[in-house]
Amino acid sequence: DVKVTQSSRYLVKRTGEKVFLECVQDMDHENMFWYRQDPGLGLRLIYFSYDVKMKEKGDIPEGYSVSREKKERFSLILESASTNQTSMYLCASSLKEYGYTFGSGTRLTVV
Amino acid sequence: TQLLEQSPQFLSIQEGENLTVYCNSSSVFSSLQWYRQEPGEGPVLLVTVVTGGEVKKLKRLTFQFGDARKDSSLHITAAQPGDTGLYLCAGARGAQKLVFGQGTRLTINP
Repeated sequence: DVKVTQSSRYLVKRTGEKVFLECVQDMDHENMFWYRQDPGLGLRLIYFSYDVKMKEKGDIPEGYSVSREKKERFSLILESASTNQTSMYLCASSLKEYGYTFGSGTRLTVV
Repeated sequence: TQLLEQSPQFLSIQEGENLTVYCNSSSVFSSLQWYRQEPGEGPVLLVTVVTGGEVKKLKRLTFQFGDARKDSSLHITAAQPGDTGLYLCAGARGAQKLVFGQGTRLTINP
């Protein structure tokens, strides 16, 4: 069964900490995405990548960066966590124009 | 600016009733997808519609893509408690990126 695995289901971090969210897919997909999900706002795209070492900003990249050193792994980095980054973070992968496969999400709380 | 507007945002009905969820935009999309998300999990793809006017059926769920490829609807016949969840529509706006609606939270009461 194809899978997108996010390393943590729940995280609690302090304001100012550097936070790493890891995502691994086993489907050999070219495309990988990071979204955040907040009530009433739906899913908003933070960053995406179409290939190894390639990244593009989404709609809300401020305060985030990403890394894709290997095809199967796409990492989201919060350089200095703030309370307004408390959210559900969802990683997804896709093959060309086909539908996304999502991970189970990481619920991040910044205190 | 929300490119995709879903309505209603919340819907609570009795088992056995029918319902329709709408997804509207002023933008044209190359394709539109519907996902269902359960608490604590990521969204799961239900269907992709590509052609204007296309209708797809998935058991009791019927999905339609508008003729102008700007809107879509999801109709559920004889809703069951297992249909409870958050339904998300998503439009493709080139280069495989999706933009999501804010979701419809559906509750089916036994």
